[in-house]
Amino acid sequence: EAGVAQSPRYKIIEKRQSVAFWCNPISGHATLYWYQQILGQGPKLLIQFQNNGVVDDSQLPKDRFSAERLKGVDSTLKIQPAKLEDSAVYLCASSSFRDRNEKLFFGSGTQLSVL
Amino acid sequence: KNEVEQSPQNLTAQEGEFITINCSYSVGISALHWLQQHPGGGIVSLFMLSSGKKKHGRLIATINIQEKHSSLHITASHPRDSAVYICAVSTRGYGGSQGNLIFGKGTKLSVKP
Repeated sequence: EAGVAQSPRYKIIEKRQSVAFWCNPISGHATLYWYQQILGQGPKLLIQFQNNGVVDDSQLPKDRFSAERLKGVDSTLKIQPAKLEDSAVYLCASSSFRDRNEKLFFGSGTQLSVL
Repeated sequence: KNEVEQSPQNLTAQEGEFITINCSYSVGISALHWLQQHPGGGIVSLFMLSSGKKKHGRLIATINIQEKHSSLHITASHPRDSAVYICAVSTRGYGGSQGNLIFGKGTKLSVKP
């Protein structure tokens, strides 16, 4: 079974530039999450999708972050414009909708450095 | 106070030692996850528990719902077990969906040969 795919693996940009991350969840997984993990901390939820609808985006800095999941499969997370404090690993995870206790599967993450 | 607390924050062990990592939480949960994160690597889900105990190889995870506490044990530890171990809890969702996932800060384990 293919895992959660994320790209790019690494990204270096200057502050005020824009960046986009892509996630392809496990086939058939209706729930998709984007997390931000700053060095030394646990992951923080940015946004949760159920199919193509947003379930929770309460911690998403909406003035600069946006995410979409068109067609309820792939998802993109965008930052525009980036700030120094956005340097972090951005993790995508997915799980099946059928069982609320379904195991989570994580992608390898995208490591973002904002200079 | 964080909703999910892990201890210890850092742990150094000698190869072969029995290791215990603890997790306490203060919210209502539908499940608790133990995750493993290697340096520069992604996160791997080790266990998902809603009650009792689970075992996989040298790893054992237990949860006590009444006490809101879980432990991850590693028997006969090995240098390749060196990683950050993260406890995360799923809060109760609605409409059958998985609720929010709240993460602990992780326990950094180093196993010396």
